Amino acid sequence: GAGVSQSPSNKVTEKGKDVELRCDPISGHTALYWYRQSLGQGLEFLIYFQGNSAPDKSGLPSDRFSAERTGGSVSTLTIQRTQQEDSAVYLCASSRTGTEQFFGPGTRLTVL
Amino acid sequence: AQSVTQLDSQVPVFEEAPVELRCNYSSSVSVYLFWYVQYPNQGLQLLLKYLSGSTLVKGINGFEAEFNKSQTSFHLRKPSVHISDTAEYFCAVSGSGNTGKLIFGQGTTLQVKP
Repeated sequence: GAGVSQSPSNKVTEKGKDVELRCDPISGHTALYWYRQSLGQGLEFLIYFQGNSAPDKSGLPSDRFSAERTGGSVSTLTIQRTQQEDSAVYLCASSRTGTEQFFGPGTRLTVL
Repeated sequence: AQSVTQLDSQVPVFEEAPVELRCNYSSSVSVYLFWYVQYPNQGLQLLLKYLSGSTLVKGINGFEAEFNKSQTSFHLRKPSVHISDTAEYFCAVSGSGNTGKLIFGQGTTLQVKP
């Protein structure tokens, strides 16, 4: 079956612009996670959605970052007023059980 | 809170030699432990996981890991590596009672030489 998909695969933007990153989880997976992978910080948890529960936003680095999940499926991560330090690969993962996460290929964001 | 330390940033090894990638964790609660592999320009793929039960866990591609609670370690091993094993390997932990969000180590680059 289809895995986790993310779009775009690459995004280049100018400092100060807003960007939206999309994640399509595996069908039937109720849990969805966003992580960020950067050279300086490694792999960091950003946010977690589980069903209709309030999301765990404890990993979001600033209030410029937000995410939503519509209809319990597709998720969008939005970064407002991008900064150069936001440059990273943004990874999405989904899970049915919470004990095994399936990762998408990531979106590489470059902020000029 | 949990944390993970991968003791080696790079591990060079010759093809067909054995390899061990080291991982130590810190946690005040029971944990689940994972090893993921990332090939160049790809996402993360689960190699193996420890949830409970036998402390020796076997995964894909001939890898195995042993959970040692007293030493808070979860080292990854393979008896004979191939060129195709060249990749970055991440150890990760999640609290057994929480959301499943993963805390990752900094990664170890395995370089297999012919």
